[in-house]
Formats: sequence, structure tokens, C-alpha cells
Amino acid sequence: SQKIEQNSEALNIQEGKTATLTCNYTNYSPAYLQWYRQDPGRGPVFLLLIRENEKEKRKERLKVTFDTTLKQSLFHITASQPADSATYLCALGRGSSNTGKLIFGQGTTLQVKP
Amino acid sequence: GAGVSQSPRYKVAKRGQDVALRCDPISGHVSLFWYQQALGQGPEFLTYFQNEAQLDKSGLPSDRFFAERPEGSVSTLKIQRTQQEDSAVYLCASSHRTSPSSYEQYFGPGTRLTVT
Repeated sequence: SQKIEQNSEALNIQEGKTATLTCNYTNYSPAYLQWYRQDPGRGPVFLLLIRENEKEKRKERLKVTFDTTLKQSLFHITASQPADSATYLCALGRGSSNTGKLIFGQGTTLQVKP
Repeated sequence: GAGVSQSPRYKVAKRGQDVALRCDPISGHVSLFWYQQALGQGPEFLTYFQNEAQLDKSGLPSDRFFAERPEGSVSTLKIQRTQQEDSAVYLCASSHRTSPSSYEQYFGPGTRLTVT
């Protein structure tokens, strides 16, 4: 069956360092991958999208890579700040024939300490 | 502008009761999704609407779950004869794309359902 795994344990880092979050998947061929941020008591907020034919995408302090051979995406936050503390979700989707349904990982909680 | 809104934010139901959860998507968004999120887990897809048409309901866990969007805007997720395993946060999301694949979804704050 399809499986998406993110770092199961919380990630604790010092302010100013780079946080790296991992998303691995099996038995799935996504056309694209999205990363969302979720704060307690709130819905997920879209951050970045990367398509299967793209290796890397950047947005301000965020960078995401997508390796369809390894079936893995890495999500980096450079110069991390305490305000970056949240749960980060990766989500996979198929191509244009799909309804847009996303399959989410369980999320990784990031804690950035001042 | 206004985002996706959901009501109620919290709902406590006794086992066996019926509940109705409401979603107001962003104005003009044709695509609407419902997800279920258990504690400590990621959201799980329930169903998808394009305007008033329910194009995908493959994620609905049982025939006790029913969703509608009769006028292509507001949507209601109804759960009949609630069970304790239905306790979760129910998230609604919308997208302005007619073909929503590969585009971001805008989520509401969710309704936390607790079945006692």
C-alpha cells in the first residue's frame, strides 16, 4: 500500500541553523509534491510545490528538493527562527487526470530554540 | 480577503448522534475538499467537489459519512450515528483551479469533533 514517512521524532535546532526535514514515500508515483506548515489549532498553510521534473525549488529561506529515484524530498529552512516552530507536512499528488486529492505524511514537528 | 471558514469550531456529540459540519470556501473557488485529521497524524482525504458535483468520494470511511455542496459554494459534511472512532479534526480546503491538481489548497481552521 502507499506509504509516506516523515521524521517521526520532533526536530530541535538552535536559532540561525538550517533545519532539514525528510519525506520518503513508497508504492506511489507522484506528479508533484507540496509542503505545508501547520500551527496548533489551525489548518495547514501552503509553502512550496515541486513537480516531478524539477530537482529543486526555492522561496526566500525555504528550499525543497525532489528525487524521484530515491523517492524522497528534503525540505530546508535556512537561518531558522523561533517563529519557524511548527509542524511541517509533505503531501503528494498525481497529475492532471487526478482530482487534486493529496496524500499527506504524518508531519514533523520543528522546534527552533533562541 | 476572507479565507476558508468552518463551523462549528468544536463539536461534542454523544455516540449515536448525527452531526453536520459546515464549510464556507473562498468566494469563487470551484474545487472543495474534505479531509479528516486524527491527533498526531496528517490529514486524510475524504471527498472532492468541483462546483456542485462530487467527483471523488473514495476516502469516505463508511456509508455513515455524507457530503454535499448543492449550489457549488457552501458544503456540509454529515456524519450519521457517530462512533468514537469518528473523533478527529475535519478540515475543509478549497482551490480556485477548475483542474486543481498540482495547485495549492487553502485550508480552513477545522472542526474538532469529539464523540463521547
